[in-house]
Amino acid sequence: AQSVTQLGSHVSVSEGALVLLRCNYSSSVPPYLFWYVQYPNQGLQLLLKYTSAATLVKGINGFEAEFKKSETSFHLTKPSAHMSDAAEYFCAVTANQAGTALIFGKGTTLSVSS
Amino acid sequence: GAVVSQHPSRVICKSGTSVKIECRSLDFQATTMFWYRQFPKQSLMLMATSNEGSKATYEQGVEKDKFLINHASLTLSTLTVTSAHPEDSSFYICSASTSDIVGYTFGSGTRLTVV
Repeated sequence: AQSVTQLGSHVSVSEGALVLLRCNYSSSVPPYLFWYVQYPNQGLQLLLKYTSAATLVKGINGFEAEFKKSETSFHLTKPSAHMSDAAEYFCAVTANQAGTALIFGKGTTLSVSS
Repeated sequence: GAVVSQHPSRVICKSGTSVKIECRSLDFQATTMFWYRQFPKQSLMLMATSNEGSKATYEQGVEKDKFLINHASLTLSTLTVTSAHPEDSSFYICSASTSDIVGYTFGSGTRLTVV
């Protein structure tokens, strides 16, 4: 069985500050890990994914995440927050097998203040 | 890139009626389709997984007779909410996957409101 835990349902930062969204996973098999962003009443946009290649993954819009097996973590970071980053962020896990569903964390709402 | 078209984006229906939601993969063959449900300010909950030409596999607690899933072709999957009730009001999102790689393409979602 697989699961993800997103620590902190709500994170608030100032514009220009570091963004850190936490994600820990549980998986009985080597995981693939994903971060998605969702704006109100919209679908999901893929930010980045880890698929057992490089442990430091760079995504779109300046986001990156590091896979740490020893800590079972896949935290999302961005050096400098922008107002447009305010959204809902989801961490998701799946097995390294085509046709397996993504299992999502509960999500973290990121607020950015000026 | 891969695109999944989901329609309608919004639908309002009367209690007791049925609603069909379509997801089409426009430029690839979706061997597997996943259907999710999302309540306001909550996460995406997997409802069912369907493989082309096979019966869908439903998650525990999801009524298969209420949420009918058809995946008759490699480019089209449908979710029909039968005899809808207000508690079925939610955001429904499909996700398509191929058989050769681990990857997911999401539809833009359908906001269902049952009145």
